[in-house]
Amino acid sequence: GQQLNQSPQSMFIQEGEDVSMNCTSSSIFNTWLWYKQDPGEGPVLLIALYKAGELTSNGRLTAQFGITRKDSFLNISASIPSDVGIYFCAGFTPINTDKLIFGTGTRLQVFP
Amino acid sequence: GAGVSQSPRYKVAKRGQDVALRCDPISGHVSLFWYQQALGQGPEFLTYFQNEAQLDKSGLPSDRFFAERPEGSVSTLKIQRTQQEDSAVYLCASSLVGGPYEQYFGPGTRLTVT
Repeated sequence: GQQLNQSPQSMFIQEGEDVSMNCTSSSIFNTWLWYKQDPGEGPVLLIALYKAGELTSNGRLTAQFGITRKDSFLNISASIPSDVGIYFCAGFTPINTDKLIFGTGTRLQVFP
Repeated sequence: GAGVSQSPRYKVAKRGQDVALRCDPISGHVSLFWYQQALGQGPEFLTYFQNEAQLDKSGLPSDRFFAERPEGSVSTLKIQRTQQEDSAVYLCASSLVGGPYEQYFGPGTRLTVT
């Protein structure tokens, strides 16, 4: 099925560094959701975005809904060891408003 | 309040067996979704309920897959005559309303078909 492209595929960073990842599509999306998934667990919702250009924060996390509506970005500031995991973007297109489409994931590793 | 719960967390089935996976959504959530997640991939949509009505089942991979939500609360995903390619994590999510809104996921059921 259709999947969103996320980059980078994986990141290895030092504790305290800032992290940026993005999600792109050839199609327009009208909602973006960012999730974090730990091994053996389900995805946990981090941030939801509903309008083009919207910038939303949740603690050290900030996400933006791209103005072209074809991309979204997630930044994590001052990373800590518990930030380790896989980050997924997901979204709804105007045609499929009940079918959440997921990205390919960004695996984050934080070293102390 | 309690989140989405799923049972069992792990299931091993011999090829050809039938399995039933249960999902308890967040209380009061109208919409319920099933997703399949293969190893190293993002979840992929299987089916969607609004209350007891199954509004979209376009993601079910074959007619061996069947889902129900008879009273608009708990849902069961049934897989008949399991095959090795059915091995995956099956995730359930619920949402307060229908449409493009936040979905909250359960921990998943890891199915291994031997």
